[in-house]
Amino acid sequence: NAGVMQNPRHLVRRRGQEARLRCSPMKGHSHVYWYRQLPEEGLKFMVYLQKENIIDESGMPKERFSAEFPKEGPSILRIQQVVRGDSAAYFCASSPKGQYEQYFGPGTRLTVT
Amino acid sequence: AQSVTQLDSQVPVFEEAPVELRCNYSSSVSVYLFWYVQYPNQGLQLLLKYLSGSTLVKGINGFEAEFNKSQTSFHLRKPSVHISDTAEYFCAVSERGSTLGRLYFGRGTQLTVWP
Repeated sequence: NAGVMQNPRHLVRRRGQEARLRCSPMKGHSHVYWYRQLPEEGLKFMVYLQKENIIDESGMPKERFSAEFPKEGPSILRIQQVVRGDSAAYFCASSPKGQYEQYFGPGTRLTVT
Repeated sequence: AQSVTQLDSQVPVFEEAPVELRCNYSSSVSVYLFWYVQYPNQGLQLLLKYLSGSTLVKGINGFEAEFNKSQTSFHLRKPSVHISDTAEYFCAVSERGSTLGRLYFGRGTQLTVWP
């Protein structure tokens, strides 16, 4: 059973460009969470999605950030017009319905130059 | 919102020594508790979890943790560490009964094991 997959593992963008981060949850998992890890800090919750629904986006910046989890395909975290402060590691986690354990992917390390 | 405090940002120890990594949380509701380990440039791996039952939980790699409700703590312990235990350790909390399931993380403790 493959784990949570994220790609790309490393992403370099110039200021003003768009970043698209992808996450494929573990097989059978219908819940996806996105977290951001800034240097020297723990992980901060961003958004919680189920298939075709955003359940909780209270941790998402109000502008430039969006997330989706379509019926088919991976979950996407999209950052428009990136700025240097967006440089961080972005982790995706998945869980099966009704369980509290979350299984994490390897992360995407975004660098904005 | 939950607050998770990991009291030590860095813990250096010698190989084969015991170690304790401290975690306290603030909560007026029941919680689930987790410890994750992160090796350099990798994702988080679940070490152990407390959901219910015995307050002493055992995890992978010889780690264990004890849930203390009165002190709102969930300290991680290992009686004898190895060089390979060098990593960042994160304590996390989820609110029991919440439909949202988000995890609240501490800032992490860097464990460095010296030969």
